[in-house]
Amino acid sequence: AQTVTQSQPEMSVQEAETVTLSCTYDTSENNYYLFWYKQPPSRQMILVIRQEAYKQQNATENRFSVNFQKAAKSFSLKISDSQLGDTAMYFCAFMGYSGAGSYQLTFGKGTKLSVIP
Amino acid sequence: ETGVTQTPRHLVMGMTNKKSLKCEQHLGHNAMYWYKQSAKKPLELMFVYSLEERVENNSVPSRFSPECPNSSHLFLHLHTLQPEDSALYLCASSQDLETGSGNTIYFGEGSWLTVV
Repeated sequence: AQTVTQSQPEMSVQEAETVTLSCTYDTSENNYYLFWYKQPPSRQMILVIRQEAYKQQNATENRFSVNFQKAAKSFSLKISDSQLGDTAMYFCAFMGYSGAGSYQLTFGKGTKLSVIP
Repeated sequence: ETGVTQTPRHLVMGMTNKKSLKCEQHLGHNAMYWYKQSAKKPLELMFVYSLEERVENNSVPSRFSPECPNSSHLFLHLHTLQPEDSALYLCASSQDLETGSGNTIYFGEGSWLTVV
């Protein structure tokens, strides 16, 4: 079974600064997908960025980028030029074959990020 | 506006009540999901439907009964729940399920359930 670990329950960052959220996962699969989701106080889960394991190039979406280290099974999220609207819970998620004919998304426990004015 | 809509957003029910949560997706997806989000626990996948057929039931108690009448709608029927079932229930959808192409899963805003 896959597991996803987010070791930082809470973090804070000054507005306009850069912050990195860590995520590690455990799997025996070679083909899988990794995601970062953001859940603001409204509670809707919003996709931030995704990474295919077969791609060596790190994914980037505007101010959000990842550092994907496949051998180390690490998938950290870097937020540049932090904005107040980035305040949210951030979940790292792993998608791999569940063995039941489908691909299942496994989430970490989340990191609560607060952006300070 | 989200492509996945959930109603009601908030629900309070007694342990003997019967209620339902509704989810509708406007994205033309073929797969739909129910997740449970409790305090201090990771999101838990409850059910997976693909083309209106249930493909996964992650050991969910029978007091939760899903229904998928078509690929756009998903229900979660609730009866004789317990207080520990109080949580945020999230519906989600993705283009499809079995190709393993890493389809992105899109979530609704969730339904807050309180069992008293």
